[in-house]
Amino acid sequence: SAVISQKPSRDICQRGTSLTIQCQVDSQVTMMFWYRQQPGQSLTLIATANQGSEATYESGFVIDKFPISRPNLTFSTLTVSNMSPEDSSIYLCSVVLDGGYTFGSGTRLTVV
Amino acid sequence: AQTVTQSQPEMSVQEAETVTLSCTYDTSESDYYLFWYKQPPSRQMILVIRQEAYKQQNATENRFSVNFQKAAKSFSLKISDSQLGDAAMYFCAYSAGNNRKLIWGLGTSLAVNP
Repeated sequence: SAVISQKPSRDICQRGTSLTIQCQVDSQVTMMFWYRQQPGQSLTLIATANQGSEATYESGFVIDKFPISRPNLTFSTLTVSNMSPEDSSIYLCSVVLDGGYTFGSGTRLTVV
Repeated sequence: AQTVTQSQPEMSVQEAETVTLSCTYDTSESDYYLFWYKQPPSRQMILVIRQEAYKQQNATENRFSVNFQKAAKSFSLKISDSQLGDAAMYFCAYSAGNNRKLIWGLGTSLAVNP
């Protein structure tokens, strides 16, 4: 299975600012997923990012708020833009390789 | 629409005892995958067990086993000889084939009492 390095592990940000989260994978993977997990809740898929194409966003998530880059097969970023306290969550990236899904360690974001 | 239901928000078990976590799902697909993930307070998502729908044999990983009932669309997780380190949130998830997005249940919080 793949190993993912996700940064930062946590951050406290001012409302109205933006934060970029990075995920680096030790293997080349086609698909990368970005999730949001609000406190005490399950994972909600934000978008699926394939290298070389635009990310596919789930209902309720838009590119202007959560722009994603996928410059190559081992790296992706998710930006949380114009943050509000409602964006306080854990954000996780995930990849699938040979049918196995692996997750980053998550970014705990607090917006004040 | 594909859905995953975990009807037990919280469960508890005595150390060394056995506990079963429930999961049901709804799908019209014939080929799919089911997963149990564990998320301890560290928030790292850890794969516990994986089941391919085309396999009749229930998956087993050491103290963890599943009872996969395809006709009933049920996929329960049994943890034997529970240990304090098993305390975590457990999520059931579904994928309609390889390299597809996961559909998640709401999770079950498992406490292990010494």
